[in-house]
Amino acid sequence: AQSVTQLDSHVSVSEGTPVLLRCNYSSSYSPSLFWYVQHPNKGLQLLLKYTSAATLVKGINGFEAEFKKSETSFHLTKPSAHMSDAAEYFCVVTSFYNQGGKLIFGQGTELSVKP
Amino acid sequence: GAVVSQHPSWVICKSGTSVKIECRSLDFQATTMFWYRQFPKQSLMLMATSNEGSKATYEQGVEKDKFLINHASLTLSTLTVTSAHPEDSSFYICSARVSSTGELFFGEGSRLTVL
Repeated sequence: AQSVTQLDSHVSVSEGTPVLLRCNYSSSYSPSLFWYVQHPNKGLQLLLKYTSAATLVKGINGFEAEFKKSETSFHLTKPSAHMSDAAEYFCVVTSFYNQGGKLIFGQGTELSVKP
Repeated sequence: GAVVSQHPSWVICKSGTSVKIECRSLDFQATTMFWYRQFPKQSLMLMATSNEGSKATYEQGVEKDKFLINHASLTLSTLTVTSAHPEDSSFYICSARVSSTGELFFGEGSRLTVL
């Protein structure tokens, strides 16, 4: 079975400061991991994905995440927050070897950015 | 990236009526599409997996007679909410899997309000 836990339901940072959104996963098979962003009343946009290549993954808009198998973590970071980063972020795990590649979503982390 | 279009973006209907939501892959073929439901401030809940030319696979607890899914072509899946009631009000999001690569893309979502 697979699961994903986002450790913070809400994170608030000041503009220009670093962002850290935490995600832990559980998977019996080699996982693929994703971070998606959702702005209010919008669909999901892929920020980045890990699919067993490089463990440090760079995504769009300056975000990156590091896959740490020993810690079963895939935390999302950004060196300097921008006001436009305020949104809901979802960590997602899947494995094509299990459950037919269904996406398993975390509960989401709401990122607020203060001026 | 590839584009997934959902229509309508917003729909308001009276209780007891049926509403159809379309999910189209505009520039790729999608053998598989997924339908999700999202309540306010919550994560996405997978409702069903739609495969072109065959019956949809519903998740446990989702009423298949209530939420009719049809995937008649490689670029179109539809979700019909039959005899809608206020508790069916929600944000419905589809995603489509690119047949050739397995990548997933999300639609912009459809906001259903049942009065």
